[in-house]
Amino acid sequence: AQTVTQSQPEMSVQEAETVTLSCTYDTSENNYYLFWYKQPPSRQMILVIRQEAYKQQNATENRFSVNFQKAAKSFSLKISDSQLGDTAMYFCAFTMNYGGSQGNLIFGKGTKLSVKP
Amino acid sequence: GAVVSQHPSWVICKSGTSVKIECRSLDFQATTMFWYRQFPKQSLMLMATSNEGSKATYEQGVEKDKFLINHASLTLSTLTVTSAHPEDSSFYICSARGTGVNNSPLHFGNGTRLTVT
Repeated sequence: AQTVTQSQPEMSVQEAETVTLSCTYDTSENNYYLFWYKQPPSRQMILVIRQEAYKQQNATENRFSVNFQKAAKSFSLKISDSQLGDTAMYFCAFTMNYGGSQGNLIFGKGTKLSVKP
Repeated sequence: GAVVSQHPSWVICKSGTSVKIECRSLDFQATTMFWYRQFPKQSLMLMATSNEGSKATYEQGVEKDKFLINHASLTLSTLTVTSAHPEDSSFYICSARGTGVNNSPLHFGNGTRLTVT
């Protein structure tokens, strides 16, 4: 069975600074996707970034980038130039890759990020 | 982009009554829908997977007779919480997967906050 572990229940960062959220996962599979989702107080799930396991290049989306270490089964999220609107719960998630299609998402327990002015 | 509409966004019901939550894919056909439950300050836990036209697959520990899932069309899945009790109070959120590789990402509804009094 696959598991996702987020070891940081809470993090804080000053506005405009950089913060890294950690995530490790466990799987015996080779073909999968990894995600970071943001959940603000509205509880809406917002996709931040996606990484396909077969791609060695780390995914980036504007201020968000990941450090994907497949052998170490590590998938950290770096947020640069943090903004007040980045304050939210962040969930790391795993899903199998079925020929390009996703299975159900397995979530970590989340990291509550607070960006301080 | 793909939109998933979930209704109602919040509901309060009395203990012993039933509540139906709808999840609609507005601009794509959702062959598979996933139902998650999120208790306060916790992560999302998969309850069940529903495929259009077939019976839902429930995760271990989820009572299929209590949480009735219907996925009768490619654009609508419903979750009915039967004989609700206060311990069923939670945030329920659906996600949908479309047909084909191009529709592989999962799209989330905005969730339903259920309070049972």
